[in-house]
Amino acid sequence: KQEVTQIPAALSVPEGENLVLNCSFTDSAIYNLQWFRQDPGKGLTSLLLIQSSQREQTSGRLNASLDKSSGRSTLYIAASQPGDSATYLCAAHYGGSQGNLIFGKGTKLSVKP
Amino acid sequence: NAGVTQTPKFRILKIGQSMTLQCTQDMNHNYMYWYRQDPGMGLKLIYYSVGAGITDKGEVPNGYNVSRSTTEDFPLRLELAAPSQTSVYFCASSPISGNTIYFGEGSWLTVV
Repeated sequence: KQEVTQIPAALSVPEGENLVLNCSFTDSAIYNLQWFRQDPGKGLTSLLLIQSSQREQTSGRLNASLDKSSGRSTLYIAASQPGDSATYLCAAHYGGSQGNLIFGKGTKLSVKP
Repeated sequence: NAGVTQTPKFRILKIGQSMTLQCTQDMNHNYMYWYRQDPGMGLKLIYYSVGAGITDKGEVPNGYNVSRSTTEDFPLRLELAAPSQTSVYFCASSPISGNTIYFGEGSWLTVV
């Protein structure tokens, strides 16, 4: 069964710290992997999408990596800010016309001033 | 930019009632999806559509129906509401399968 796991479920860090969020997937035959941000009471916003042929993607202070062989992806946030506080979800896409994403349960990040 | 718009934002239903969650997107995307998100759980796919007139079941379709008469609209119908359908519902769209996916802001549904 295709599953996506995110550990830890919650993380609290002081402002300015660099941090890494983890995502693991059981089936390495992924098509791509997306990282999303979800603010309380809001929908999901796509942050980064990494194709299976790529090793990493960068956007501003965010860097996402993908290691298919180990079934892992990481989201690196540099110089964290209180505005980064949100739940971060990763989702694996396994191709096909369905376009379904297998979501992790998310990591709730709190950045303290 | 409107993106994906869902209505209503909040709704309380009594057991056995029916309702429709509306979803519209203005990005001319072929793919549209309905997900549900339960507390502490990942999102689960209910139904999806690859274009007008074409819909198919996702992982958790029981108790729901959809239609796709236009590219823009993808309503989700709940028939005979049950407490197990209490959840947050998200509509989403993408231009093609496997591309960046755009979500609406969600509809909070409580069945009592």
